[in-house]
Amino acid sequence: TQLLEQSPQFLSIQEGENLTVYCNSSSVFSSLQWYRQEPGEGPVLLVTVVTGGEVKKLKRLTFQFGDARKDSSLHITAAQPGDTGLYLCAGANDMRFGAGTRLTVKP
Amino acid sequence: GAVVSQHPSWVICKSGTSVKIECRSLDFQATTMFWYRQFPKQSLMLMATSNEGSKATYEQGVEKDKFLINHASLTLSTLTVTSAHPEDSSFYICSARDGRAVYNEQFFGPGTRLTVL
Repeated sequence: TQLLEQSPQFLSIQEGENLTVYCNSSSVFSSLQWYRQEPGEGPVLLVTVVTGGEVKKLKRLTFQFGDARKDSSLHITAAQPGDTGLYLCAGANDMRFGAGTRLTVKP
Repeated sequence: GAVVSQHPSWVICKSGTSVKIECRSLDFQATTMFWYRQFPKQSLMLMATSNEGSKATYEQGVEKDKFLINHASLTLSTLTVTSAHPEDSSFYICSARDGRAVYNEQFFGPGTRLTVL
């Protein structure tokens, strides 16, 4: 079983600030997915990263996959209140989630 | 594409009754579906993995006789909480793996909030 650690677990920032959250695994990911969950809803897929060293951008969100495919990061530029939510990562072949990062962006 | 629905979105029941939750993939066939539960302010906990036409695989600590899962078709899986008790109150979420997806992406339903009185 792949053990996932996400950090930080909680993050509260002001609108306009930048932030980075991390996802680390005890083993290699074949591919990794990032999701965001808003309260009372199901998680929504943000991105899938596959290749070591890969960088993907989704508007203000930048996802990086570590060279060894055991870690990933999500960087948000100029955070907005709409970015508030629970950010989760999971390996595609082992759909167990870590604790996630609960982000609050204050206006 | 890749839409997953759940029904009902919320349910309140009396202790001792059974509740069935449906999970449907609306525009794709899902060979594999997953069931999670989520307590307030916590992450998703995988309960079981269900493959169409075969028995579900339950995670350690999840009672298979209490949480009955049926995946009778490529677009429908059901979770039945039998003899529900207040401690079963939770947010139940399903997801479905799109068989066409190159990287095994899975898509989540909107969740079902169960309250057991």
